[in-house]
Amino acid sequence: QSALTQPASVSGSPGQSITISCTGTSSDVGSYNLVSWYQHHPGKAPKLMIYEGSKRPSGVSNRFSGSKSGNTASLTISGLQAEDEADYYCCSYAGSSTYVFGTGTKVTVL
Amino acid sequence: EVQLVESGGGLVQPGRSLRLSCASSGFTFDDYAMHWVRQAPEKGLEWVSGISWNSGSGSIAYADSVKGRFTISRDNAKNSLYLQMNSLRAEDTAFYYCAKEGDSTTIDYWGQGTLVTVSS
Repeated sequence: QSALTQPASVSGSPGQSITISCTGTSSDVGSYNLVSWYQHHPGKAPKLMIYEGSKRPSGVSNRFSGSKSGNTASLTISGLQAEDEADYYCCSYAGSSTYVFGTGTKVTVL
Repeated sequence: EVQLVESGGGLVQPGRSLRLSCASSGFTFDDYAMHWVRQAPEKGLEWVSGISWNSGSGSIAYADSVKGRFTISRDNAKNSLYLQMNSLRAEDTAFYYCAKEGDSTTIDYWGQGTLVTVSS
């Protein structure tokens, strides 16, 4: 149950696009198309942004998109806005009713 | 609107026990699996435990870090989720979040969390 690997921080200017990677193993990310992404502002409940690798819940901006290749999933935020500044976590189903989260990425809007 | 409200956190000495509760509303509680996720200070999210809608055999799972010390349970009649935490350690200090699993094997809604501090 090792955490998925994410970059500690990613930054970009307003309007730019950024991509956050999430690297797991063949036992989690690579085995299931069940990667989700969460936006977390400190002190608040995390918010689901992407599920099943690339699907957006109702109400989530289409500036957020997800993809997966092998053992690595990615979240792209296009048209970066000040309100996107937050911590982002990936999460993968890991079998036997267990989940594993990523190490988290702090997104800074310059 | 889905609402998950945790309670029961607080300051507890190492080796003691604490029971967290999560009251839910806005959805049919007994249709969905539920989970506990925690975040230690300055650390990332860590999945702790999950339980299926009917608590059936083989439908409960724990992270290795809490296995044998924590017990998850639910009362569908009360729309509530619980986490019994025994033999608490300093490293169990964290915000504990109650979370709902959706239709697509995805954790889709979270509570605001309750803080557990393990210290002498």
